[in-house]
Amino acid sequence: EVQLVESGGGLVQPGGSLRLSCAASGFTLSGYEMNWVRQAPGKGLEWVSYIRSRGTSINYADSVRGRFTISRDNAKNSLYLQMNSLRAEDTAVYYCTRGNWFDSGGPFGAFDIWGQGTTVTVSS
Amino acid sequence: EIVLTQSPGTLSLSPGERATLSCRASQSVSSTYLAWYQQKPGQAPRLLIYGASSRATGIPDRFSGSGSGTDFTLTINRLEPEDFAVYYCQQYGRSPPLTFGGGTKVEIK
Repeated sequence: EVQLVESGGGLVQPGGSLRLSCAASGFTLSGYEMNWVRQAPGKGLEWVSYIRSRGTSINYADSVRGRFTISRDNAKNSLYLQMNSLRAEDTAVYYCTRGNWFDSGGPFGAFDIWGQGTTVTVSS
Repeated sequence: EIVLTQSPGTLSLSPGERATLSCRASQSVSSTYLAWYQQKPGQAPRLLIYGASSRATGIPDRFSGSGSGTDFTLTINRLEPEDFAVYYCQQYGRSPPLTFGGGTKVEIK
């Protein structure tokens, strides 16, 4: 079964750090672009970050650039999001998603597989 | 940044009726890079449509997507009870940021 499972969420004080992990199974991670998407309580979806299949290209939303770092370890079938200098507005469910080009030619792809999400709460 | 505006915010319909959801972009989006997602309470979103009109694996044919340029539509024919949910459009074009619309909630009338 193709699956993504996030972990690492929790309660953190403003200014603190967290590292999210996403374990992929049922497919070869190295063949796909990957993204993080978040959803604040009661709000819509916000794209956070992208990393190309081999890690050669990375992009961030303006709201997290300079504070968050995306990375991947294809040998371990894992994706990561290091989050530093956390703010109250970073409180959200964070989803790991797989980008699938289908027949588009890339570079990002539609998000065809989503994890169940991990909750990050930034509060004192 | 391409801003996607979805309308209406809420659509109240009965099972068996047709739902028509709109997604308008602030600038032209290649239809190759337009997707629709469904999200039910407490669940992760699910890909319904990619490339503006192609159904993802396992998506029933009552779901269809259309449009080009700045105007895109998701149509759900003969609403089933499990179709009542929130729907998001997304553009995933060649330049970041990728963006989502604000969502349309389809609720039971």
